[in-house]
Amino acid sequence: EAGVAQSPRYKIIEKRQSVAFWCNPISGHATLYWYQQILGQGPKLLIQFQNNGVVDDSQLPKDRFSAERLKGVDSTLKIQPAKLEDSAVYLCASSTQNYEQYFGPGTRLTVT
Amino acid sequence: AQSVTQLDSQVPVFEEAPVELRCNYSSSVSVYLFWYVQYPNQGLQLLLKYLSGSTLVESINGFEAEFNKSQTSFHLRKPSVHISDTAEYFCAVRPSGYNKLIFGAGTRLAVHP
Repeated sequence: EAGVAQSPRYKIIEKRQSVAFWCNPISGHATLYWYQQILGQGPKLLIQFQNNGVVDDSQLPKDRFSAERLKGVDSTLKIQPAKLEDSAVYLCASSTQNYEQYFGPGTRLTVT
Repeated sequence: AQSVTQLDSQVPVFEEAPVELRCNYSSSVSVYLFWYVQYPNQGLQLLLKYLSGSTLVESINGFEAEFNKSQTSFHLRKPSVHISDTAEYFCAVRPSGYNKLIFGAGTRLAVHP
């Protein structure tokens, strides 16, 4: 069974630029999550999708972050414009009804 | 609200020595408990989980954790560590009725020869 796929693995941008991350969850997993992991901290949930609907986006900075999950499969997370404090690893995870979450390898974003 | 506290940010230990990584949580509702491991440049992998039943849970690579409801703890232990156990370990809780994980800040385990 293929795992959660994410791309790119690394991205370096300048502040005020925009960036997008892509995630393809495990086949059949209805729930998809995006987490932000700042260096030295645990992952923090940004947004959770159930199929193509948003379940929880309470911690998503909506003035600059957006996410979508068209057709209830893969998802993109966008930052526009990026700030220095957005430097982090962005993790995507997916789960089935038993709620066990499987994580992708992450995208390491550096904002200079 | 829920929170998770991992009391040690770094734990250095010699190979074949025992280790304990501490985790305490705070929650107004019942929770399910998890330990995840993150090897360098990799995503998080589930190490073990407590959902119900026996309070002592084990992983396939020799780790174990015990749920202590009175002390709101879920400490991770291994009687003899290997170099390959060097990684960052995250404790997480999932509040009952919610489909979200709340993570601690992580403990970096460094196993030295």
